Amino acid sequence: GIQVEQSPPDLILQEGANSTLRCNFSDSVNNLQWFHQNPWGQLINLFYIPSGTKQNGRLSATTVATERYSLLYISSSQTTDSGVYFCAVAFSGGYNKLIFGAGTRLAVHP
Amino acid sequence: EAGVAQSPRYKIIEKRQSVAFWCNPISGHATLYWYQQILGQGPKLLIQFQNNGVVDDSQLPKDRFSAERLKGVDSTLKIQPAKLEDSAVYLCASSLVGSTNTGELFFGEGSRLTVL
Repeated sequence: GIQVEQSPPDLILQEGANSTLRCNFSDSVNNLQWFHQNPWGQLINLFYIPSGTKQNGRLSATTVATERYSLLYISSSQTTDSGVYFCAVAFSGGYNKLIFGAGTRLAVHP
Repeated sequence: EAGVAQSPRYKIIEKRQSVAFWCNPISGHATLYWYQQILGQGPKLLIQFQNNGVVDDSQLPKDRFSAERLKGVDSTLKIQPAKLEDSAVYLCASSLVGSTNTGELFFGEGSRLTVL
């Protein structure tokens, strides 16, 4: 069936470290978004990236649609980066229905 | 530009009671979504509207959940009667386009429901 798998499930970093989060998906997609869920539960849009590469400050993302994966890079991590990172995809032929992965829980320690 | 507005932010009820959540999407966004997020899990789509028509409600527990978007703008999600397992955050999102076209989704702050 349709699957969105994120890895690793948990990640602990020292402040200043870099990290890579991965999202694998099982079929071709029309839409792929990365979100950061803050401690208050709000989903913050990071990237709308069904294909290609984008950068925003210390964050960047790459989606290789033909190989069905996306990567989120966090450089020089800060304690405020802590939270849960979700990848969500809308599969081709659907109705822009975003299906979420289980998330990567990131903790950045000072 | 105003974001997606939701209310109430928090609600505590006893099982078998009813509750309603309200959502006002970003102005001009034709597509509106309700998601349920249980603690420790990713959000799960309950229902998707395109204007005031339902596009997908395959995961909506229709025996107790209902939703409407009468004028194609704001929406209400109702639970009656509530069960303990309905304790979750209910997230509303909107996007400019829907159907088979792509469109970035924007989420509100959510409504946290606790059923005792």
